[in-house]
Order: sequence, then C-alpha cells, then structure tokens
Amino acid sequence: NAGVTQTPKFQVLKTGQSMTLQCAQDMNHEYMSWYRQDPGMGLRLIHYSVGAGITDQGEVPNGYNVSRSTTEDFPLRLLSAAPSQTSVYFCASSYSPSTSGVRNEQFFGPGTRLTVL
Amino acid sequence: AQKITQTQPGMFVQEKEAVTLDCTYDTSDPSYGLFWYKQPSSGEMIFLIYQGSYDQQNATEGRYSLNFQKARKSANLVISASQLGDSAMYFCAMRETYSSASKIIFGSGTRLSIRP
Repeated sequence: NAGVTQTPKFQVLKTGQSMTLQCAQDMNHEYMSWYRQDPGMGLRLIHYSVGAGITDQGEVPNGYNVSRSTTEDFPLRLLSAAPSQTSVYFCASSYSPSTSGVRNEQFFGPGTRLTVL
Repeated sequence: AQKITQTQPGMFVQEKEAVTLDCTYDTSDPSYGLFWYKQPSSGEMIFLIYQGSYDQQNATEGRYSLNFQKARKSANLVISASQLGDSAMYFCAMRETYSSASKIIFGSGTRLSIRP
C-alpha cells in the first residue's frame, strides 16, 4: 500500500493564480480531509468528506474548493491564491467511525509546502 | 461545539524523566474518540495513541499512555522514560463519533524538547 499520497511536494504561486493539490489513498477509507498548518501552529481543518459525492466545510474553508468523485481521490482547489494561503497542506484519510472492527485514526500524507508570492 | 485545547506551547524535560502533555476537550456528543499525534522536525504526522469515550481503561501503547478523565474532559498524554528522539510537536485531536459525518479537529500543539 502506498498509503496517502500528495502531489506536488512544493509549489510556488503568484497572487491570483489557481491550482489543485492532489491527494489519493489506496486504503479504501471513506473519510478524507484537508488541513493547513501555518508555522509553529496546529492543524486547521479546511474541508472533509465522508464518502464519494459528500463534502463539508471545516474550520477555515474560505478560498478553497473540494470534490470527491471517487473513494480514492480528494483534490483541493485554490481558486485565486493569496499570500495568506502560504502554508503546509496535509491530506489525511481514515475509516468512518461507523465502520466496526477497525481503528479510525487518520493516516496523513507527507504534505505540500505552498508559497504564494 | 467541538473544541480541543492544549495549554502548554512548549516544555523542556530531562532525558529519562516522565512527561505529561495536557489536553482538554469540549463536546456535547456522548460518543467520541481522542487521538495523539507526534510531528518531528521532518514534518510527518505520526499516530501515537487512541482513546474511545466508552473505553473502560486508559489506553497504552509502549511508552505512551493516555490519562483519560472523562468527567474533567481531559486526555493527557504521558510519555514514560523520555528519550532524545521524543523531541517533537505533539498534537491532541478529537472526533465525535455519534454521527458518521464526523470531523476531526486538532489542538494547537505542544513542542516538547528533551535535554540530554
């Protein structure tokens, strides 16, 4: 199993540009989520999904869009990048808490370091 | 509303001593899970330990144990016999599990530094 993969690892954007951060998992997890981590701070939830076709907003959703057309993929779109979106972005996945007999801790990707100039 | 609080921004501990990292939470959901993660300077997120709200005993995983006090809504991580490799950021997280549409939120973290 590759686990949770994220691409790219690093990205530099200019203000106003758009881009998509890719996230994929091969563990058949229902739940996927995106976090951002600013320097010296904790992880803040951007968006999450409990299954294909279902997404919801987290703590800091403004400026980001997500979709979940398959169980495996959960891309994060920056619509018009701003310097305030400079951060490290983590994607994570887990089983749903309603899945019996499995632990539901999240598995994290390696992160994408994004700089917006 | 779901909330996680870690009140210790940073801690210094002598090698081989035990250390307790504090975590308090707030939820109105009767069913929830609590997690601890470690983030070394390399940046990856490493899962350490899990405690379910209905678990009768405190969780343990090797040198890690969770001091779960449900009435006080606290879930402190205890690391026994600390090692230099334990120097890292530590995050507490919570998931409400009553509903399947449950999100996982994190506290602000504690930076632990182990002195030789």
